[in-house]
Amino acid sequence: GENVEQHPSTLSVQEGDSAVIKCTYSDSASNYFPWYKQELGKGPQLIIDIRSNVGEKKDQRIAVTLNKTAKHFSLHITETQPEDSAVYFCAASHGGSNSGYALNFGKGTSLLVTP
Amino acid sequence: DVKVTQSSRYLVKRTGEKVFLECVQDMDHENMFWYRQDPGLGLRLIYFSYDVKMKEKGDIPEGYSVSREKKERFSLILESASTNQTSMYLCATPGQGGEQFFGPGTRLTVL
Repeated sequence: GENVEQHPSTLSVQEGDSAVIKCTYSDSASNYFPWYKQELGKGPQLIIDIRSNVGEKKDQRIAVTLNKTAKHFSLHITETQPEDSAVYFCAASHGGSNSGYALNFGKGTSLLVTP
Repeated sequence: DVKVTQSSRYLVKRTGEKVFLECVQDMDHENMFWYRQDPGLGLRLIYFSYDVKMKEKGDIPEGYSVSREKKERFSLILESASTNQTSMYLCATPGQGGEQFFGPGTRLTVL
């Protein structure tokens, strides 16, 4: 089955700096790669996603890049703010009907943005 | 917006008890999922369902069962709770594009 590796497990940056979280996946059939943010006491919330037909996607301060050949994808947060502090999860799926869009998650990155 | 609700935010049970965790979604989605989340292990799929009365095992189904009698409701059952089932349990349902919408989670402690 799919194996998703996520690094680093913890990341501390100063406010205004950039943060990068990287993930690799093993199943070349995977074609959907979402990123989730989880704040304390809440369920994960989708912040951005990318599909295999594009290499990069951006939404304000957040961007995701995908390298299908190398089977890795990354989350980039620019101009970080204290409210970006949370746990971030990457995931991968091939969205086939018999998997019901089940996601395989990385183990998470705890991001701390210090003022 | 998709709304996914879970019956309890916090639950404390004793070893050997039967535990029901309920999840309800309001978008008439066919697929629903149960994950457990543990520190350092991320989210792991326990069971999922792609239609009423249909269920499929995920990666870690041992010790759990599920019930899907109505489309909007997906229940996770711990037949005989054990201390190693102390965890955060998350229910989710996917939207049209495959993105999953999560409930707020139930933090279960088994004593």
